[in-house]
Amino acid sequence: DVVMTQSPLSLPVTLGQPASISCRSSQSLVHSDGNTYLNWFQQRPGQSPRRLIYQISNRDSGVPDRFSGSGSGTDFTLKISRVEAEDVGVYYCMQGTHWPRTFGQGTKVEIK
Amino acid sequence: QVQLVESGGGLVKPGGSLRLSCEVSGFTFSDYHMNWIRQAPGKGLEWLSYISSSGRIIYYADSVKGRFTISRDNAQNSLYLQMNSLRAEDTAVYYCARDGRWSGAFDIWGQGTMVTVSS
Repeated sequence: DVVMTQSPLSLPVTLGQPASISCRSSQSLVHSDGNTYLNWFQQRPGQSPRRLIYQISNRDSGVPDRFSGSGSGTDFTLKISRVEAEDVGVYYCMQGTHWPRTFGQGTKVEIK
Repeated sequence: QVQLVESGGGLVKPGGSLRLSCEVSGFTFSDYHMNWIRQAPGKGLEWLSYISSSGRIIYYADSVKGRFTISRDNAQNSLYLQMNSLRAEDTAVYYCARDGRWSGAFDIWGQGTMVTVSS
């Protein structure tokens, strides 16, 4: 199975400051069709997960543009340009290139 | 609007069975592949099973293979998860999630249903 490793696992941030989460996969996530199926999810406290980013860098509808995704191959990053109070929660990367689909352990973002 | 609503969770004894349902609305169910994902208390997300739009292609995680069965009824706009031989470690919130037609995995999630396996 593809192992997804996130860092850090805990991320205290100051309101208005940037935040960055890293996600590394144990093998390349480039699919035979040429796409890279790496997604990012946000789970606010007490809520279901919500997809933020698909295929590395495409924002889902309604996702603020302060969220951005980047990377390639095995190394990916989610950035929040200026953290707001509503961004508190756990963020997960997930790969959909190989079966079984696998998630990272999650990164807990909290306000300092 | 697009909505996924899970039901069927509850308390069950080890070795018991439970059938979860996910009723969808707001989109043409038969056009979309679907999944079950779970989250144990205080833990991360674990993908469990996938079923294609037609129901012909199915995948399972090793942790549930042989015990859980995914199915769908496109006429009833419903997805199911039959869970047999339940264990304490199956205790979790179970979510159904849709695959986007062009965007890929898990674009829409339900609110989840809690399954507790305990004697």
